[in-house]
Amino acid sequence: ELQLVESGGGLVKPGGSLRLSCTASGFTFRNAWMNWVRQSPGKGLQWVGRIKSKTDGGTPDYAAPVKGRFTISRDDSKNMLHLQMNSLRAEDTAVYYCATERLLWFGLGAFDLWGQGTMVTVSS
Amino acid sequence: DIQMTQSPPSLSASVGDRVTITCQATQDINNYLNWYQQKPGKAPKLLIFDASTLETGVPSRFSGSGLGTHFSFTISSLQPEDFATYFCQQYHNLPPTFGPGTKVDVK
Repeated sequence: ELQLVESGGGLVKPGGSLRLSCTASGFTFRNAWMNWVRQSPGKGLQWVGRIKSKTDGGTPDYAAPVKGRFTISRDDSKNMLHLQMNSLRAEDTAVYYCATERLLWFGLGAFDLWGQGTMVTVSS
Repeated sequence: DIQMTQSPPSLSASVGDRVTITCQATQDINNYLNWYQQKPGKAPKLLIFDASTLETGVPSRFSGSGLGTHFSFTISSLQPEDFATYFCQQYHNLPPTFGPGTKVDVK
C-alpha cells in the first residue's frame, strides 16, 4: 500500500525549532520528488517546499515565507523526508502534509499521494 | 506568484444535483491545473490533473475543463460521499498555488 506518515508535530514557542519527518512506504522513494504543503485556517493550502530526487539533482526549492528558516532533506536509505523548521513564527501554525509530486510540466505537477498531516502550533 | 480564486466560496446542494465550481488564475496557466477534494480531518485527494484528466479510480461524475485563466469543475450528479471542500491548484510556475476552496454542503 502506498503510504506517507508524518511525525514530529507539536507545540513550540515563537523563535523555536521543530523537525518534522515523513516516512514513505509502498513505492520507490528515491525516485520521488517530495513536497511539504501546509494548511492553516487563515491561509488555506500553502506549498512550503520540495526536494527533487537525487537522480534529478536532489536540490530543494522553498516558498518565500519559509526560505532561510526551513530546510528540507531526504534520507533515501530510510525512505524518509525531513523538514527542519527554525525561527518559527505564529503564522507557521498549520497542519503540515508531505506529498509526492507527479511531474507533468517542466518540473512541476500534481500532488498525488499525501500523508495524514501533523499539527504544528507556534504559541507562547 | 500566480493567485488562484474560486467561486463560490461555498454552496449548498442536494444528492443528485449538478454542481459547478469555477477557478480563475491571475495569468495564463495553459491547462496546468489540478483539482483536489478534501474531507474534514483528511488530506486532500487528487481528482483531476491537466485541467480535465480524471485521476485513476475517480468516478466519471467528476469532470473539469478550461484553458488559460478560466476553469471549471463539475459533479454531474452529487453523491452523499461528495460533500467536501474542493481546491484548484496551478502548476504553471513555482510556487504552486492553491485556490481558497469551495465547500459543498447539504442543502
